[in-house]
Amino acid sequence: RKEVEQDPGPFNVPEGATVAFNCTYSNSASQSFFWYRQDCRKEPKLLMSVYSSGNEDGRFTAQLNRASQYISLLIRDSKLSDSATYLCAARMNTGFQKLVFGTGTRLLVSP
Amino acid sequence: EAGVTQFPSHSVIEKGQTVTLRCDPISGHDNLYWYRRVMGKEIKFLLHFVKESKQDESGMPNNRFLAERTGGTYSTLKVQPAELEDSGVYFCASSPDPRGEQYFGPGTRLTVT
Repeated sequence: RKEVEQDPGPFNVPEGATVAFNCTYSNSASQSFFWYRQDCRKEPKLLMSVYSSGNEDGRFTAQLNRASQYISLLIRDSKLSDSATYLCAARMNTGFQKLVFGTGTRLLVSP
Repeated sequence: EAGVTQFPSHSVIEKGQTVTLRCDPISGHDNLYWYRRVMGKEIKFLLHFVKESKQDESGMPNNRFLAERTGGTYSTLKVQPAELEDSGVYFCASSPDPRGEQYFGPGTRLTVT
């Protein structure tokens, strides 16, 4: 079983829609979580960090559920420019600091 | 502020050759990470430097890979000899704090033929 799992999608949504992705993690020692956005053939760009129960930044909301070991990303009022792959990453805060990534969820926002 | 830079952006080499990738982290970031994404798979950790010291090299696939960070500034990752399965995108990331956020460079796309 992979340490971090994501539905690869694609999620096809119209402009203005609300869309949510889930990311599950298997290592209960994971403490910090991150959502990155990756455009085709580009580097991952940090979108949000989640250190406690959740985080909100404009149209984007991330929530962490430690009991069920998943984090979610909610995008409200989707824009065409939101089309990208969204990567979930987990990190333990003790010992090693490496990020463990999921394979990503592809989002396509259409007019 | 300049971001993480990587050189070259693309490299095509033949099996058995040597390639050296370079990463310049964000100025002042002591923590430097190498990751790799092979086709169809997730991004995977290779190793972590704190200044010039290797903090964690648990992700290095084998002894054909050698990473250095002399002087604690830029880092190089050398693959010698390259094999077909080494093809992928090699990303470098840096952070000011090991518990902080990691910022990625544009990656080097390596193709071994």
